[in-house]
Amino acid sequence: GAVVSQHPSWVICKSGTSVKIECRSLDFQATTMFWYRQFPKQSLMLMATSNEGSKATYEQGVEKDKFLINHASLTLSTLTVTSAHPEDSSFYICSAREDNRDYGYTFGSGTRLTVV
Amino acid sequence: QKEVEQNSGPLSVPEGAIASLNCTYSDRGSQSFFWYRQYSGKSPELIMFIYSNGDKEDGRFTAQLNKASQYVSLLIRDSQPSDSATYLCAVKGGYSTLTFGKGTMLLVSP
Repeated sequence: GAVVSQHPSWVICKSGTSVKIECRSLDFQATTMFWYRQFPKQSLMLMATSNEGSKATYEQGVEKDKFLINHASLTLSTLTVTSAHPEDSSFYICSAREDNRDYGYTFGSGTRLTVV
Repeated sequence: QKEVEQNSGPLSVPEGAIASLNCTYSDRGSQSFFWYRQYSGKSPELIMFIYSNGDKEDGRFTAQLNKASQYVSLLIRDSQPSDSATYLCAVKGGYSTLTFGKGTMLLVSP
């Protein structure tokens, strides 16, 4: 089955530093990937839609200059949290949609970010 | 604004019983519907999807869709303690994005 690898699984960083999270589809091509954020006991909130070779589409209220998304290949998208602050601490999850499969949404294992 | 509503629960059922999870959505243009299971601290895993009115069965799971009522449900037969998790309903509209409900916590007691 489709597998999406997300790294790192968890990261602790100091306030003001940047953190990069990778999302990689291992056995399929994904022109479109999605980045979600989930706070404790909350649902998944879509942050942005990442399209290979073009700029990401950010949801309302998500700062594009703070959450940098790069989708440079059909199998890799990265999310960089710049100048992280404690309020950015959350569970970040990526999802990749298999090309030519309307129902093929596969999630990565998630990244637990703690900013201290 | 597209909304997906779920009862947050917890829904408690004894082992072996049928668990019924419900979801309503606001966007009549929604095309397909997904049920995910999420264990605490883990990412969601797909249980099943449905896009036509009626029932769709996969093992112990049955998804039911009623587009006229904008309602989708998930039935879990012979519930097991390992089914205890949060169940997320997700709806796909005209674009490829999924909108998630807040999830229903299911507790299956031995």
